[in-house]
Amino acid sequence: KAGVTQTPRYLIKTRGQQVTLSCSPISGHRSVSWYQQTPGQGLQFLFEYFSETQRNKGNFPGRFSGRQFSNSRSEMNVSTLELGDSALYLCASSLLAPGGYEQYFGPGTRLTVT
Amino acid sequence: QQQVKQSPQSLIVQKGGISIINCAYENTAFDYFPWYQQFPGKGPALLIAIRPDVSEKKEGRFTISFNKSAKQFSLHIMDSQPGDSATYFCAGGGSNYKLTFGKGTLLTVNP
Repeated sequence: KAGVTQTPRYLIKTRGQQVTLSCSPISGHRSVSWYQQTPGQGLQFLFEYFSETQRNKGNFPGRFSGRQFSNSRSEMNVSTLELGDSALYLCASSLLAPGGYEQYFGPGTRLTVT
Repeated sequence: QQQVKQSPQSLIVQKGGISIINCAYENTAFDYFPWYQQFPGKGPALLIAIRPDVSEKKEGRFTISFNKSAKQFSLHIMDSQPGDSATYFCAGGGSNYKLTFGKGTLLTVNP
């Protein structure tokens, strides 16, 4: 089974621009979560989607948004980029079978804001 | 109340030794505790996970010990190998569909 894929893998943007990142979950997985990873803050939860509905959101400003499509693929968008948004953005998918919370991560998108 | 505290920040172990990483959590609603392994340039990979109804889970050289009353859990890596050198993250999860991670432990296994 193919793993979680994320595109693009690397991205360089300028302050004030916006960016869209894409995630394709493992086949059959309907839950997609997004995390931001930085050296200072570690791994922080952004939001989680299931069947095109956002079920939970982390403590990030409204500039961070996401969506999920009917095929479970997900995108996240960051508008008005700031230098502090430079990070590794990770997507994780989950089957969410009864009693199962296992989340499987993709390789991430490395975003650099200059 | 969502915090997960992980220690040590870094750990150096000789090949063949035991690596021990500890985590403490505050949120009693957590009912799922995974450990992830991350190599440079890669996403975190699920290593092993435990639920609070058991005190220990072993998979190969990796063992999780769980102490519900103390709200602590730990990862033991037996017979540590240079290939185990990576950053390890503990996390707590529950029915709110999100994982709360510790800050990570950089493990170096010397040959």
